[in-house]
Amino acid sequence: QKEVEQDPGPLSVPEGAIVSLNCTYSNSAFQYFMWYRQYSRKGPELLMYTYSSGNKEDGRFTAQVDKSSKYISLFIRDSQPSDSATYLCAMIKAAGNKLTFGGGTRVLVKP
Amino acid sequence: DTGVSQDPRHKITKRGQNVTFRCDPISEHNRLYWYRQTLGQGPEFLTYFQNEAQLEKSRLLSDRFSAERPKGSFSTLEIQRTEQGDSAMYLCASVQAGGVEQYFGPGTRLTVT
Repeated sequence: QKEVEQDPGPLSVPEGAIVSLNCTYSNSAFQYFMWYRQYSRKGPELLMYTYSSGNKEDGRFTAQVDKSSKYISLFIRDSQPSDSATYLCAMIKAAGNKLTFGGGTRVLVKP
Repeated sequence: DTGVSQDPRHKITKRGQNVTFRCDPISEHNRLYWYRQTLGQGPEFLTYFQNEAQLEKSRLLSDRFSAERPKGSFSTLEIQRTEQGDSAMYLCASVQAGGVEQYFGPGTRLTVT
């Protein structure tokens, strides 16, 4: 079983809808939780990260972490066709550590 | 600052050949990471450097793989005697001292025929 699990999708939504993404993990040592966006044949782009449990908002993006359930989420409001990409969750145990990724969820936002 | 750069962007090679990739991290970032990503999967950690010291290697990094960061700036990843299973995207990332945010380059896509 992988340390970080993520539904591969694809997740198809109409433009303007809320996109809801999530990951589960097994290692309670993870402390920092990241979300990356990756367009086809490009490198991952960091969207935001959260330390420990709680919520964080950045523009249309909201990240949530529930360490008691080992469950993290990313919500994208007012989705746009340009949000169509693969979204990767990743986590680390401490600053400077290697990232452990989920498998990614492919998102399609239809005009 | 132009971000993390990688060269080449795409490499096609025949099985058994050696290949070398280069990564230039964001200046002043002292940690540099290599990851490998196969189609439909998330990136997997290969190795990382703090300055010129290689501090950790994954079990994925067989003895055919070697990485260097001789002056603590750019890094190279060499694969000897390539196999078809080596076909993947090789990603480089860097982070500043004490930082959390790893910034990725565009990747080098390797195709072994």
